Amino acid sequence: QQQVKQSPQSLIVQKGGISIINCAYENTAFDYFPWYQQFPGKGPALLIAIRPDVSEKKEGRFTISFNKSAKQFSLHIMDSQPGDSATYFCAASMDFLGGATNKLIFGTGTLLAVQP
Amino acid sequence: EPEVTQTPSHQVTQMGQEVILRCVPISNHLYFYWYRQILGQKVEFLVSFYNNEISEKSEIFDDQFSVERPDGSNFTLKIRSTKLEDSAMYFCASSVGLGLNTEAFFGQGTRLTVV
Repeated sequence: QQQVKQSPQSLIVQKGGISIINCAYENTAFDYFPWYQQFPGKGPALLIAIRPDVSEKKEGRFTISFNKSAKQFSLHIMDSQPGDSATYFCAASMDFLGGATNKLIFGTGTLLAVQP
Repeated sequence: EPEVTQTPSHQVTQMGQEVILRCVPISNHLYFYWYRQILGQKVEFLVSFYNNEISEKSEIFDDQFSVERPDGSNFTLKIRSTKLEDSAMYFCASSVGLGLNTEAFFGQGTRLTVV
């Protein structure tokens, strides 16, 4: 129930294309869903995050779509660029009010390669 | 921009030796975390720390692991007797609060190699 399932494992997209990465969760107590971007040799960096009270959040070329009933959320990268090539992790956590400590449960990661 | 800093960037140690990984969280943050990432795998939660005590730990965080905030700025992870399977990238993270202030900032990690 603590797992977050992520797909695909790897993704190749042409420059200018749309990259889509999907995640699914089971625990309905999760109420914070961030996406992290990780470049080789670096720590994960927060890209964008959403809470379940909205179905979509957009920041620049990055959009999270959230489907509460299906317990799924996805990251869309519009106009993908070679500089977007990185590993992307979805994650989930529970609000402290639920007794948790905001630990992040990460998905397995998606290695994105954007070809020029 | 404030950042979480970790030292060393790479640590090689012999099996059975003790290692201490060090982190300096962002100065006004109150919640501290250690995560690890075995090569090619997902990032896994180890422990969270608040108000000078462990608030939550995972199954991975057994008696061989300990954390400490020895002064007002450092946050350390100690592995008492390292095993080969402890080889991983260890990330420190911090957040200013919980709930709506949830964003966790990660350091760039310490690569621990146990030989």
